Parts: sequence; C-alpha cells; structure tokens
Amino acid sequence: QSVLTQPPSASGAPGQRVTISCSGSRSNIGSNTVDWYQHLPGTAPKLLVYSNNQRPSGVPDRFSGSKSGTSASLAISGLQSDDEADYYCATWDDSLNAPVFGGGTKLTVL
Amino acid sequence: EALLVESGGGLVQPGRSLRLSCAGSGFRFDDHAMHWVRQVPGKGLEWVSGISWNGRSTAYVESVKGRFTISRDNAKNSLFLQMGSLTPEDTGVYFCAKDFSPSLYRSNRFDPWGQGTLVTVSS
Repeated sequence: QSVLTQPPSASGAPGQRVTISCSGSRSNIGSNTVDWYQHLPGTAPKLLVYSNNQRPSGVPDRFSGSKSGTSASLAISGLQSDDEADYYCATWDDSLNAPVFGGGTKLTVL
Repeated sequence: EALLVESGGGLVQPGRSLRLSCAGSGFRFDDHAMHWVRQVPGKGLEWVSGISWNGRSTAYVESVKGRFTISRDNAKNSLFLQMGSLTPEDTGVYFCAKDFSPSLYRSNRFDPWGQGTLVTVSS
C-alpha cells in the first residue's frame, strides 16, 4: 500500500489530453513539492516534472504538473504512442522522514 | 551528460548477502546526495536508501534497516549498497539515482537514474 494514491491505469486516444491524479496527506503533498517520473519497463525512470510544475530541459510542454492542497496531478496533452509508460508521483513525507512514491499509473494510448 | 551505471545484481539464496555498485560520470559526484530505489516485480517504485554528499548522513526504508548499508567513494565516483539477510521480498530491479540536492533533507528530485540491476533472492 503506497503512501501516495494513484489510479492504476489511464488511457486516451492519440491527440487527446489525459490527467493522472496523485493523492496524499498533510505530511507529504500538503507540505512538500511533488515530482513526476516516467518509466518504460526495462529502462531508466525519467524525471518529467519537478517542484509541482517545472519541466527539466528537454521535456515537451505537453507535460504539465499542478498541485492543490494534498493532491497533485500530471496532465499530458496531444497524446502520442511514445507516451505509453508508467507514471509515478513522488514527494517527501515529513512523518516518515523519507521520500515516497505513488503506486504508479499505467498509461495506455488507444 | 550525467550517467549512472549499476552492477552487482544476480541470483542469491535467502539469508545471503550481495553488494551493488553504481558508477557515476558526467557530473560532479560529490556535489550530490545519492539514492537506491527498487521496483519489486509487478509493483511500483520504492525508495530504499539515500546518502548525503559526504556520506555522513544515511537513511533507509524501514524494511531494510539493519540489513542494508549504503556507502559511497567520492574519489571513485561510486555508490554502493551492501545487502544482507536477503529475503525473497528483496527481489527486484535496483536503480541508483542522483539527487538534485547535496543533502537528504526533503529530497525527492532524482535525475538521472541508472538502468537498474536485477536482484533475485531465491533458493
């Protein structure tokens, strides 16, 4: 059972917009910034969004993050087949004194 | 370009030990905290352990405390994870990751990650 709750799956047609949610509590998302990672099995996970809504260089602006209260979300617009991957939210938990990940969301591009 | 390469994984019997290594290049290794994150088969990512830039501060997930030891050799740009008393629940792919920050405090921004090394604990 992950500290952060994500839907196990999400899907959308090419070109559509999909949103992945990440729910936490006051001790984690409510008090700290959220990062998002993209992971294709067999490869190295990749930082997609950091500090709630900042993109590292090289990440397309189709990917955007937001945070409100104890929840965060990742939006992907203009879906492409290459976006099929697992997506994880992550933040620091003040109670555990450790970084925590969501359970991951498997994105399928129909 | 920053690059991380893990090694040392393999098949090990329950109760035995294994040492993972991670070689860093393309960045100032001793400017950053470093971490180990694992992915258990069929499940998500789980942070395992972290170490500050100078090695003086370490942290572990509860399930590995007392069994795993993280260390680093900044002169050799290397990160290690000594794993002991291994159980089948430790089976998974172990990734090393570079932290944006030099310290462990409130750090969860990992970039880049290595490709991972598979650890299988089975008799």
